[in-house]
Amino acid sequence: DQQVKQNSPSLSVQEGRISILNCDYTNSMFDYFLWYKKYPAEGPTFLISISSIKDKNEDGRFTVFLNKSAKHLSLHIVPSQPGDSAVYFCAASTDSGAGSYQLTFGKGTKLSVIP
Amino acid sequence: GAGVSQSPSNKVTEKGKDVELRCDPISGHTALYWYRQRLGQGLEFLIYFQGNSAPDKSGLPSDRFSAERTGESVSTLTIQRTQQEDSAVYLCASSLGPDGETQYFGPGTRLLVL
Repeated sequence: DQQVKQNSPSLSVQEGRISILNCDYTNSMFDYFLWYKKYPAEGPTFLISISSIKDKNEDGRFTVFLNKSAKHLSLHIVPSQPGDSAVYFCAASTDSGAGSYQLTFGKGTKLSVIP
Repeated sequence: GAGVSQSPSNKVTEKGKDVELRCDPISGHTALYWYRQRLGQGLEFLIYFQGNSAPDKSGLPSDRFSAERTGESVSTLTIQRTQQEDSAVYLCASSLGPDGETQYFGPGTRLLVL
């Protein structure tokens, strides 16, 4: 039972264009969402997060949008750069209470930015 | 240390053998987590340590899996009588505290059970 779904296993984007990575979740108890980036042979690194009280969070070229009613979030990267090529994992947790530290991850989307 | 470190980076073992994986968290981080990622899957939560509290073992897939942590430092994940389905990348993460703190991941240990 995948509670966090990243339905696109891969995405190719031209350098300079926008990359949009999507994530859907089913557990309505999730209210804190994170994106991690992972290069081969390295552990995931934290990229950006959003709490359910917000619908947008921006950090430089990275913006995460949250649509709670649709249980959907997306990561926008503008402009995309070749160094952004990596696997991107969407993760979710409950913001408080028992088990709030447990992150539930999607399967990841491999982004390839073509020079 | 500067980041989370894990050893070994790669481990090949025969079915039925025991393996021990090690994690050194970031100094000062009280929370430590183990995850695993099987081929084509997302990361699965395994176990969580926070300070001197009893660990949350709810993610451990079977009683062949166990983990220990010495104070707020090193942790070891032990898999007894390994099975082929245990083949995965085992990732350790640490955070400054619990509940929403950003988790910092190590590079992982790639375990292959033949």
